[in-house]
Amino acid sequence: EDKVVQSPLSLVVHEGDTVTLNCSYEVTNFRSLLWYKQEKKAPTFLFMLTSSGIEKKSGRLSSILDKKELFSILNITATQTGDSAVYLCAARGTNAGKSTFGDGTTLTVKP
Amino acid sequence: DTGVSQNPRHKITKRGQNVTFRCDPISEHNRLYWYRQTLGQGPEFLTYFQNEAQLEKSRLLSDRFSAERPKGSFSTLEIQRTEQGDSAMYLCASSWTSGRYQETQYFGPGTRLLVL
Repeated sequence: EDKVVQSPLSLVVHEGDTVTLNCSYEVTNFRSLLWYKQEKKAPTFLFMLTSSGIEKKSGRLSSILDKKELFSILNITATQTGDSAVYLCAARGTNAGKSTFGDGTTLTVKP
Repeated sequence: DTGVSQNPRHKITKRGQNVTFRCDPISEHNRLYWYRQTLGQGPEFLTYFQNEAQLEKSRLLSDRFSAERPKGSFSTLEIQRTEQGDSAMYLCASSWTSGRYQETQYFGPGTRLLVL
């Protein structure tokens, strides 16, 4: 059975700190890994990763995938209170069908 | 706005009643997905369609749940004889996929169901 595990479950930091969120996966015929941000509503897309070792960046957020060790990390530098949210990781297998989600990391950024 | 839309946004029903939710995907997307999310957990896959064909159903989807996408555009998810355990957020997502190319899934705002 496909499985995605995220750690830590929750994290409290102060503005300006840098955080690293972890995601490990076990998915049959792995195709891609996705990161989403969820703030009391539907998840919004952040990154899709398909190749090992290639960092994707968007502003203060970046992510990288290790297909050998079956994990991904999401980094957020210079955190702001607006970064407070649940960050979800999802892995997709054969033929871009279902995504298997982790339970998320709840990030709280204090002023 | 051409994002994914879902109706209704909220539904309160009594145990034993039937409910139906609708999802309108992004117009050019050929794949449509249904997920269920409960508090403190990530979305759980329920089923997905490519055009009008239902390609996969989760074992979570009991025989009280049925989904359709009759013309390959909008989709409906029906829950019969609702139970309190069905209370959750029901999320719809859509994507465009062609052969090896796979685009990300874009989520709708969800329908929050409360079964009393």
